[in-house]
Amino acid sequence: DAMVIQNPRYQVTQFGKPVTLSCSQTLNHNVMYWYQQKSSQAPKLLFHYYDKDFNNEADTPDNFQSRRPNTSFCFLDIRSPGLGDAAMYLCATSRWGRHNEQFFGPGTRLTVL
Amino acid sequence: RKEVEQDPGPFNVPEGATVAFNCTYSNSASQSFFWYRQDCRKEPKLLMSVYSSGNEDGRFTAQLNRASQYISLLIRDSKLSDSATYLCVVNNGTASKLTFGTGTRLQVTL
Repeated sequence: DAMVIQNPRYQVTQFGKPVTLSCSQTLNHNVMYWYQQKSSQAPKLLFHYYDKDFNNEADTPDNFQSRRPNTSFCFLDIRSPGLGDAAMYLCATSRWGRHNEQFFGPGTRLTVL
Repeated sequence: RKEVEQDPGPFNVPEGATVAFNCTYSNSASQSFFWYRQDCRKEPKLLMSVYSSGNEDGRFTAQLNRASQYISLLIRDSKLSDSATYLCVVNNGTASKLTFGTGTRLQVTL
């Protein structure tokens, strides 16, 4: 089945220790997104790629970086996690266009100690 | 004003009841609209797209009022398995970017 896969599902890191979350897709979608979702809040878009074009949201901290080495894979790097970065991180994909829904991976739940 | 506003609930309803959720959006340039369902500690999943003429999928009916910038979701004959958070989602006018509401929590009870 075509899908969006995220690894790991649960990640524990220490304050200030870099961490990388990964996302892969078999849908062959040209847009990939990273969202941060905290409890009882809406998913918050961090950035997205349209093919190789990187689009950062204005309020995304510099601590968050992303890489998309090919169509199928996208990574979220948190350079120096703080306690406030503990959240669910959701990867999503879509085809380019205003009317296309996004498909989400199962998420990675990040804990910062 | 938030871009997408929803009543957070929770809505507690008995099995078999009909329940309606409302959502308003602020960007008049928005062109596509969705309802997503999110179970506790899981990812959002598309429930249905919302079309201008209104659309129905089984027990679920979605309606859009562009003039009032208002979207609704009606669930008939509620099941226990409908218990979840329902997210109102709007394209913000920029291709491929979506704005999510904070969701309305539904709890269906026996």
